[in-house]
Amino acid sequence: KAGVTQTPRYLIKTRGQQVTLSCSPISGHRSVSWYQQTPGQGLQFLFEYFSETQRNKGNFPGRFSGRQFSNSRSEMNVSTLELGDSALYLCASSSALAGEETQYFGPGTRLLVL
Amino acid sequence: KQEVTQIPAALSVPEGENLVLNCSFTDSAIYNLQWFRQDPGKGLTSLLLIQSSQREQTSGRLNASLDKSSGRSTLYIAASQPGDSATYLCAVIRETSGSRLTFGEGTQLTVNP
Repeated sequence: KAGVTQTPRYLIKTRGQQVTLSCSPISGHRSVSWYQQTPGQGLQFLFEYFSETQRNKGNFPGRFSGRQFSNSRSEMNVSTLELGDSALYLCASSSALAGEETQYFGPGTRLLVL
Repeated sequence: KQEVTQIPAALSVPEGENLVLNCSFTDSAIYNLQWFRQDPGKGLTSLLLIQSSQREQTSGRLNASLDKSSGRSTLYIAASQPGDSATYLCAVIRETSGSRLTFGEGTQLTVNP
């Protein structure tokens, strides 16, 4: 079974631009979560989607948004990029509604904002 | 608010040594606890998942224990190898948080040949 895939793997943007990242979960998984990882803040939860509905949201500004499609693929969008948005963005998928199953992470998208 | 702490932040050991990584969490109302490893610049690899009703899980040379009442988990690595060098992260899911993981800062492990 293929793992979680994320595209693109690397991205360079300039301040003020917007970016869209994509995540394809493991086949059959309906829960997709997004995390931001930076050296200073560690892994921070962005949001979680289950069956196209946002179920949880972390403490990030409204510039960060996401969505999930009927095939469980998910995208996250960051508008008006800031230097501090440079990070590794990871998505994770699992099969369960209530978080009782193992979560599997993709390789991440490394975003550099100049 | 759930907080997760990992001690030590970094650890360097000679090959073959048995070692213990520690994880503590402030809110005992957790659904499960998961241990991950992360190689530099890479994503997270799941190592072990312990449900809140379980006391431990084992996979190969890895053994993770959970004491929910005291808010502690340990990851035991037997006969460490240079390939075990990575950052080890523990994460908890609260009972009412869906699949939201709260992570510790990680322990950076170096196993020297």
